[in-house]
Amino acid sequence: AQSVAQPEDQVNVAEGNPLTVKCTYSVSGNPYLFWYVQYPNRGLQFLLKYITGDNLVKGSYGFEAEFNKSQTSFHLKKPSALVSDSALYFCALNAGNNRKLIWGLGTSLGVNP
Amino acid sequence: DAGVIQSPRHEVTEMGQEVTLRCKPISGHNSLFWYRQTMMRGLELLIYFNNNVPIDDSGMPEDRFSAKMPNASFSTLKIQPSEPRDSAVYFCASSPGQGLYEQYFGPGTRLTVT
Repeated sequence: AQSVAQPEDQVNVAEGNPLTVKCTYSVSGNPYLFWYVQYPNRGLQFLLKYITGDNLVKGSYGFEAEFNKSQTSFHLKKPSALVSDSALYFCALNAGNNRKLIWGLGTSLGVNP
Repeated sequence: DAGVIQSPRHEVTEMGQEVTLRCKPISGHNSLFWYRQTMMRGLELLIYFNNNVPIDDSGMPEDRFSAKMPNASFSTLKIQPSEPRDSAVYFCASSPGQGLYEQYFGPGTRLTVT
């Protein structure tokens, strides 16, 4: 069965430090992976996706994610966190064949000034 | 582009009343998704359409919920009768296609059923 796990409910980092938000997945075929961000009282916004090719994917607002097939992970990263990055982050998986997205439960990121 | 448009943004209603949520997807997108978000259950897909046809409604909680997409530019999610446990934020999203395409979310409708 396909699934997505975000093992941390909350991550806190200091402004200027690197941040990582973790995501692992389980799928029988090729994974297509997405990261979204949700700011308070807003809808989700697309950050980046991995379909194929380079394992390091760059996205919006300076975020990037590394696809690791052997570890079945797709962690979201940013070299230097901003207070404005504080939000809820969702990882999502599509197992292909036009299926719907399978969503993680979200990780709340807090960046302290 | 105006993005995905949802109305109303906030809805407060009494138990037993009918509630209709509306969504206008981004022009040219042929997939539309209805989600519900709560603290307890997170983000749940209720139903999605492709080319105005419902593809998967397995997430619709019960017969009180129904969704329609009469044309490419409009969809409704109806709850009749509403119950307090339906209180949540309901999101509509659209995408250029299924599967590999990212979804674009509307601002959501915050529903409170008293």
